[in-house]
Amino acid sequence: DAGVIQSPRHEVTEMGQEVTLRCKPISGHDYLFWYRQTMMRGLELLIYFNNNVPIDDSGMPEDRFSAKMPNASFSTLKIQPSEPRDSAVYFCASSVQGATNYGYTFGSGTRLTVV
Amino acid sequence: DAKTTQPPSMDCAEGRAANLPCNHSTISGNEYVYWYRQIHSQGPQYIIHGLKNNETNEMASLIITEDRKSSTLILPHATLRDTAVYYCIVLSLLGSGGSNYKLTFGKGTLLTVNP
Repeated sequence: DAGVIQSPRHEVTEMGQEVTLRCKPISGHDYLFWYRQTMMRGLELLIYFNNNVPIDDSGMPEDRFSAKMPNASFSTLKIQPSEPRDSAVYFCASSVQGATNYGYTFGSGTRLTVV
Repeated sequence: DAKTTQPPSMDCAEGRAANLPCNHSTISGNEYVYWYRQIHSQGPQYIIHGLKNNETNEMASLIITEDRKSSTLILPHATLRDTAVYYCIVLSLLGSGGSNYKLTFGKGTLLTVNP
């Protein structure tokens, strides 16, 4: 299994531009989570999906952030327009209900820099 | 979910056991104790979890006190590669309509393994 795959690994963009982060969960996992990590705020849960349906988006900071999961094998996190304070590492994780032994599996993250 | 308290940092000599404490005095009966770690620039990694009994796997051992108000993660023979931030998380796996569970990360303990 290739694990949770995120792309790109690094993204540098100018303020005001649209940014799209991508995630491919582990096949068979029915939960998908988006986290953001900064030095100041640590790891924050932004949104999570169950069976492609958003369950809790209370962590999404602003309307500039949106997330979709059109099918079980793909999710996007979009920031439009991007701002310098959005600079962070964004992690995607997946999990499967019932298989509590292994918890979440995280991807390697996307390091976003907005200049 | 119950809150946890961990020391901000700890040191350990290579080859010795690393004992990482966690206080979760407000834990309720259906809440599990999970441990994750995050090595620099990587996504968090699941280590172990437990409810009441002590647990052991190939990575670590988890000792939960009888009153469940605290626990200790034990890395029996720490190596330099175990240098990471270790997170103790208390989580209820019960929820409506198929588990509404989500991991909330605190600040964790930075374990530094010294040669």
